[in-house]
Amino acid sequence: GAVVSQHPSWVICKSGTSVKIECRSLDFQATTMFWYRQFPKQSLMLMATSNEGSKATYEQGVEKDKFLINHASLTLSTLTVTSAHPEDSSFYICSAMTGGDEKLFFGSGTQLSVL
Amino acid sequence: AQSVTQLDSQVPVFEEAPVELRCNYSSSVSVYLFWYVQYPNQGLQLLLKYLSGSTLVKGINGFEAEFNKSQTSFHLRKPSVHISDTAEYFCAVRAAGNKLTFGGGTRVLVKP
Repeated sequence: GAVVSQHPSWVICKSGTSVKIECRSLDFQATTMFWYRQFPKQSLMLMATSNEGSKATYEQGVEKDKFLINHASLTLSTLTVTSAHPEDSSFYICSAMTGGDEKLFFGSGTQLSVL
Repeated sequence: AQSVTQLDSQVPVFEEAPVELRCNYSSSVSVYLFWYVQYPNQGLQLLLKYLSGSTLVKGINGFEAEFNKSQTSFHLRKPSVHISDTAEYFCAVRAAGNKLTFGGGTRVLVKP
């Protein structure tokens, strides 16, 4: 099946710094990508929908200025957590949708720990 | 809006025993239904999906699920589990806009 690469898989940063997470579709073009957040032992919560070449659509309650999403190409979307704080520590997962058949494939996730 | 309820947060089961994970959903429109598995510190892997047609859907790793429209359920089953089936399982629905709504997850712990 299609492969979605998410990098880094694990990152520790100091409070107040910014962290960028990349999500790449390796063997298909993804016009739409999704970003999720998952707290320990909880479900995935959709943060935003990212469409190539346009602004991301954020879910209610998600701060767009804090979680910057860029989808500059058909194979790459990035999530930047700006001025990270300990409460931003979480597991972030991206997914990418194929074009015609609209199948979804998930990245392996990024564990962010903010000290 | 859609919602998904997974009735069991944790299911302990002995190896080679059957398991059923319950999932109920609510939606005012037709939806597609999915089951995903998540191993520790990993992303999600699709087990199976229901889009249309036969209500009994077979997936990977011996899992199957049955769509019941009248009961708005999509329960997942496996007749004989292995230790390697220990993981978190998520039921999800997808309606307009292609957004997935996930249930709270069910942690399956297979005991030897």
